[in-house]
Amino acid sequence: QLQLQESGPGLVKPAETLSLTCTVSGGSISSSSYFWGWIRQPPGKGLEWIASIHYTGNANTYYSPSLNSRVTISGDTSKNQFSLNLNSVTDADTAVYFCARRSTLLGYSYDYWGQGTLVTVSS
Amino acid sequence: EIVLTQSPATLSLSPGERATLSCRASQSVGSSLVWYQQKPGQAPRLLIYDASNRATGIPARFSGSGSGTDFTLTISSLESEDFAIYYCQQRASWPITFGQGTQLEIK
Repeated sequence: QLQLQESGPGLVKPAETLSLTCTVSGGSISSSSYFWGWIRQPPGKGLEWIASIHYTGNANTYYSPSLNSRVTISGDTSKNQFSLNLNSVTDADTAVYFCARRSTLLGYSYDYWGQGTLVTVSS
Repeated sequence: EIVLTQSPATLSLSPGERATLSCRASQSVGSSLVWYQQKPGQAPRLLIYDASNRATGIPARFSGSGSGTDFTLTISSLESEDFAIYYCQQRASWPITFGQGTQLEIK
């Protein structure tokens, strides 16, 4: 059974960098059948896609245009993890951050999700 | 960027009733539309992909339809566990976008 687990600080100061890692078990992030991504949800609000990474030999990355200048997604296939860095954070970046798998076999839908981790931006 | 507009924002129904949720895209997404269910404190759960295909383990009372710009999620007879927030998502083009959600509440 595939499992995804987010980890990282729950509190980040304004203007600093938010860093999260998603550890995947039960499947390989280097499989070309899947994209791996980050999605966030501000308290009481809807879902916002942040970034995705996809391995086809090399790692291909995709970013939300609204966050592109501040965000980096990367992967470590040896640890079966992928990570998110979001710099220059403000209180608007306070949200539950989910990591998720996007399956090319199921219409490119997000079929497995982590439980989510709340990140609060505050001094 | 493709904008998805869901309606209604809130739908109040009773168990056993039929629920019809709408998702409209700002431009055609073909059949590249996904539906998720989210309950409080939980991650979203995949319901429907490619507009009309039920994901593994999803009960037959859930069905999806539509193509192009207009899509519908139908729950034929509501069970107590169906009261949640429902999101649509398009994967036709980057960036991936979600609708703002429809909250299905008990009347």
